[in-house]
Amino acid sequence: AQSVTQLGSHVSVSEGALVLLRCNYSSSVPPYLFWYVQYPNQGLQLLLKYTSAATLVKGINGFEAEFKKSETSFHLTKPSAHMSDAAEYFCAVRSSGNQFYFGTGTSLTVIP
Amino acid sequence: ETGVTQSPTHLIKTRGQQVTLRCSSQSGHNTVSWYQQALGQGPQFIFQYYREEENGRGNFPPRFSGLQFPNYSSELNVNALELDDSALYLCASSSRPGPHISRDEQYFGPGTRLTVT
Repeated sequence: AQSVTQLGSHVSVSEGALVLLRCNYSSSVPPYLFWYVQYPNQGLQLLLKYTSAATLVKGINGFEAEFKKSETSFHLTKPSAHMSDAAEYFCAVRSSGNQFYFGTGTSLTVIP
Repeated sequence: ETGVTQSPTHLIKTRGQQVTLRCSSQSGHNTVSWYQQALGQGPQFIFQYYREEENGRGNFPPRFSGLQFPNYSSELNVNALELDDSALYLCASSSRPGPHISRDEQYFGPGTRLTVT
């Protein structure tokens, strides 16, 4: 079975500070991992995905994530937070049947 | 290219009633997945349809059922509504060239907010 765990349901950072959102996965096979963002009253938007081509993945809006097999992690980072980054972030793993399993989410607050 | 659309946007039902939610997939996509997102939780996989056949199901009771039509649009039906069914229901579409070949990305619609009273 595949699953992801997001550590920290709420994260607050100052505008301009580093953003770090944590995700650990559990998978018996090489995982396909994703980060999605959800703004209030909206659906999910894909930020980036890991599909084994490169361990450092760059996504939209300046976000990136590094796949670390030894730590079973896929943490999301952004060097400098912007007010518009305030949202809910979800880590997800795709099963062999193309079904996605999501973490419980991390709410990011950006303090001006 | 149109995105994933869902209707209605909001719905209020009474316990015991039945509800049908609709989803139009993105142009060119033949696979639709449905998710339930309770307040403060991540989306939970309900089921997936590929070329009008159910192709995987999460841990949801049989009163959750679905359909996919030849144009790849889809419906989610929930019978005998319970209070815990109150949630945001998300539809996601993706492209799948063959039964064992998948495209990674799923594109999500804005969701239908269901409230059961």
